[in-house]
Amino acid sequence: DAKTTQPTSMDCAEGRAANLPCNHSTISGNEYVYWYRQIHSQGPQYIIHGLKNNETNEMASLIITEDRKSSTLILPHATLRDTAVYYCIVRGGGGSNYKLTFGKGTLLTVNP
Amino acid sequence: DSGVTQTPKHLITATGQRVTLRCSPRSGDLSVYWYQQSLDQGLQFLIQYYNGEERAKGNILERFSAQQFPDLHSELNLSSLELGDSALYFCASSVDDTFGNTEAFFGQGTRLTVV
Repeated sequence: DAKTTQPTSMDCAEGRAANLPCNHSTISGNEYVYWYRQIHSQGPQYIIHGLKNNETNEMASLIITEDRKSSTLILPHATLRDTAVYYCIVRGGGGSNYKLTFGKGTLLTVNP
Repeated sequence: DSGVTQTPKHLITATGQRVTLRCSPRSGDLSVYWYQQSLDQGLQFLIQYYNGEERAKGNILERFSAQQFPDLHSELNLSSLELGDSALYFCASSVDDTFGNTEAFFGQGTRLTVV
């Protein structure tokens, strides 16, 4: 599995956009970028995923660079409930093993 | 609500004992994953089943075993429990396609405390 690098922690003001970066320079052409978050000790929550095009859903936007070596998760209007650990994961690539390998993630703290 | 159900939510047991954790995947999902999360180790992949067959194995101890039944629910069996096995155990499920292009949804976990 390709490895990812994320900042350990980030702060964001409530109501502002939160931009969480992720580097995945060894990603293969058929691997997807996934984002999950974990609030306190709850089960990880799926946010969004993409291959090479930018993606948007009701929770967030995912911007993937053209060379696919990095991506940014954007929470457009962060709220206090968005305080969580955010995980960037590379997954897929064919074969039969699609486990999600979690790193340490980024602790996003949204401040009032 | 992710649609993945894990029981029990909390479990307290003594060292040396054996416990069984249960996971019911989302309707239609064929793949089940088990993860362990302890304070100092983060989320560690244990094992994956797909439609009843073991598909991938991670850092799962020999004292631990799992299976997926014909109705697709899965059980994780932990035996000869040690204090260090105290952790949150999560189950996730996904439909799975050929290219990893389907999201996995996690249950709320079972908190195991070994005393």
